[in-house]
Amino acid sequence: GAVVSQHPSRVICKSGTSVKIECRSLDFQATTMFWYRQFPKKSLMLMATSNEGSKATYEQGVEKDKFLINHASLTLSTLTVTSAHPEDSSFYICSARPPDERGPNEQFFGPGTRLTVL
Amino acid sequence: GQNIDQPTEMTATEGAIVQINCTYQTSGFNGLFWYQQHAGEAPTFLSYNVLDGLEEKGRFSSFLSRSKGYSYLLLKELQMKDSASYLCAVKDSNYQLIWGAGTKLIIKP
Repeated sequence: GAVVSQHPSRVICKSGTSVKIECRSLDFQATTMFWYRQFPKKSLMLMATSNEGSKATYEQGVEKDKFLINHASLTLSTLTVTSAHPEDSSFYICSARPPDERGPNEQFFGPGTRLTVL
Repeated sequence: GQNIDQPTEMTATEGAIVQINCTYQTSGFNGLFWYQQHAGEAPTFLSYNVLDGLEEKGRFSSFLSRSKGYSYLLLKELQMKDSASYLCAVKDSNYQLIWGAGTKLIIKP
């Protein structure tokens, strides 16, 4: 099956700093990637849809200036949490969708990044 | 609005059978997914239903009734490693995935 990686897996930072999370599709080209965040015991919340070569589409209530998304290539999307605060602490998960995926499992998830802001 | 309902938590015994229900109200329907998520890990795909009926895959089966807006995931011969959260997700008319809050399944020996 398709493999998606995320880096780093865990990050602890001080309040006010910025953190960059990378999402890579290792064995396929992903024209579309998705960024989710998940609070403890809660379901996935879609933050934005990232399309290669164009601006990301943000969900309602997600600050685009705080959560910067760059999808510069078909295998890499990055999420930068700018001026992080403790309330940004969460589990961030990316997923990727191959352009010609015909199977039902259209999204392949990365392993997630645990962000803790002190 | 769009809504997916599933129980918050269920408990079952090793070796037994458990059924996790999911009901949905969405703007359109283009398939229903079940994912398994262990604590601190990303979801992994379990099953996909787009037509009514039962899809069987080893110890796991998933059922769909579109007229009732209802699905269930059936897990047989439960093993301790099946302890996880199970997420129901529906693809709506815009092909967006709408996620349920997940059901935490606790398996006891």
